[in-house]
Amino acid sequence: AQKVTQAQTEISVVEKEDVTLDCVYETRDTTYYLFWYKQPPSGELVFLIRRNSFDEQNEISGRYSWNFQKSTSSFNFTITASQVVDSAVYFCALSVYSGAGSYQLTFGKGTKLSVIP
Amino acid sequence: GAVVSQHPSRVICKSGTSVKIECRSLDFQATTMFWYRQFPKQSLMLMATSNEGSKATYEQGVEKDKFLINHASLTLSTLTVTSAHPEDSSFYICSANPSTSRSYEQYFGPGTRLTVT
Repeated sequence: AQKVTQAQTEISVVEKEDVTLDCVYETRDTTYYLFWYKQPPSGELVFLIRRNSFDEQNEISGRYSWNFQKSTSSFNFTITASQVVDSAVYFCALSVYSGAGSYQLTFGKGTKLSVIP
Repeated sequence: GAVVSQHPSRVICKSGTSVKIECRSLDFQATTMFWYRQFPKQSLMLMATSNEGSKATYEQGVEKDKFLINHASLTLSTLTVTSAHPEDSSFYICSANPSTSRSYEQYFGPGTRLTVT
């Protein structure tokens, strides 16, 4: 069975601070994909980043960066110079093959980020 | 590209009535679609997986007779909540898995907020 743990329930930061959201996952599959999604108050899920299990290269995309470490089963996400518009709930998710050509997503419980002006 | 729509975005219905939610992939074909439910301040929980032309696969604890899923075409899946009760009030989100080699991708709809009075 798959499991995603986001230990931080809520985080508050002051605007322009950097913030890191933690994610730890569990799976026995050797091929899997990891995602971060943002869910603003409107409810619509916004895709942020994806990483596959064979690519541990960490990258920076604008104000977003991520740190994928298979050795610790962690996939942390950092927002640099946070802005008020970053306030949302952030979900980490794990995708593994579930048969019949499809993959199934397992979500963490989410971390609510509040950026204070 | 990869746009998924849901209709309606909000619905209020009386207890005992049925309500149908549509999920459409607008610019791609989706062999597989997923239905999630999200209660306030909680994560997304997978309800069922539907494959075009076959019966849906329901997750443990989800009542098949209450949540009827029909995946009639490669671009449309419907979720019908039958004999709705106040405890069925929730945010329902669908996602679609494109019928391509990138089957690990899921594109999410904007969600439908159901309120049963």
